[in-house]
Amino acid sequence: AQTVTQSQPEMSVQEAETVTLSCTYDTSESDYYLFWYKQPPSRQMILVIRQEAYKQQNATENRFSVNFQKAAKSFSLKISDSQLGDAAMYFCAYGPAGNNRKLIWGLGTSLAVNP
Amino acid sequence: DTAVSQTPKYLVTQMGNDKSIKCEQNLGHDTMYWYKQDSKKFLKIMFSYNNKELIINETVPNRFSPKSPDKAHLNLHINSLELGDSAVYFCASSFRALNTEAFFGQGTRLTVV
Repeated sequence: AQTVTQSQPEMSVQEAETVTLSCTYDTSESDYYLFWYKQPPSRQMILVIRQEAYKQQNATENRFSVNFQKAAKSFSLKISDSQLGDAAMYFCAYGPAGNNRKLIWGLGTSLAVNP
Repeated sequence: DTAVSQTPKYLVTQMGNDKSIKCEQNLGHDTMYWYKQDSKKFLKIMFSYNNKELIINETVPNRFSPKSPDKAHLNLHINSLELGDSAVYFCASSFRALNTEAFFGQGTRLTVV
């Protein structure tokens, strides 16, 4: 069965510093997608970044980047120059390719940003 | 312009009541979802509809009944509410293939007393 593991229930970072959130997954498929979603206290779920498994290049979105290690089945999120607004729950999700498939979610990492 | 809109945002009701949550998306997506997020923030998919057709139906009590009148709307009706139904319910939409982003509504916090 496909699973997603986020081993850090809580993390904290100083404002302007860099933090890395870890995510590992288990799958036997070769074609899939990986996502990081952010859920701030407002509880809105917001897509932060997406990675296609067939792409070797790591995805980046402004201050957010991933370290995608396909062989190790690892998909960590790096937040650079952390801002107070980055404080949120972060969820890693795995999506198998194809139609009518469902996302598999990790349990989330709660990130606190200290001023 | 709200992309995925859920109503109501908050719902407090007594055990045994029947309630509905409505969801509408204006993104032109063909697939809509209902998720349940429990008090520990765990997200669990409940249902998924593609063009009004039920395509994912997880193990959910049959007190929960989704209805999709058209591909832009997916409502959730819950009969005989129980204390354990208290949670945040999210509606989401996307295109059928999972490589596209899922957009979420703002969630409905259901409290059963």
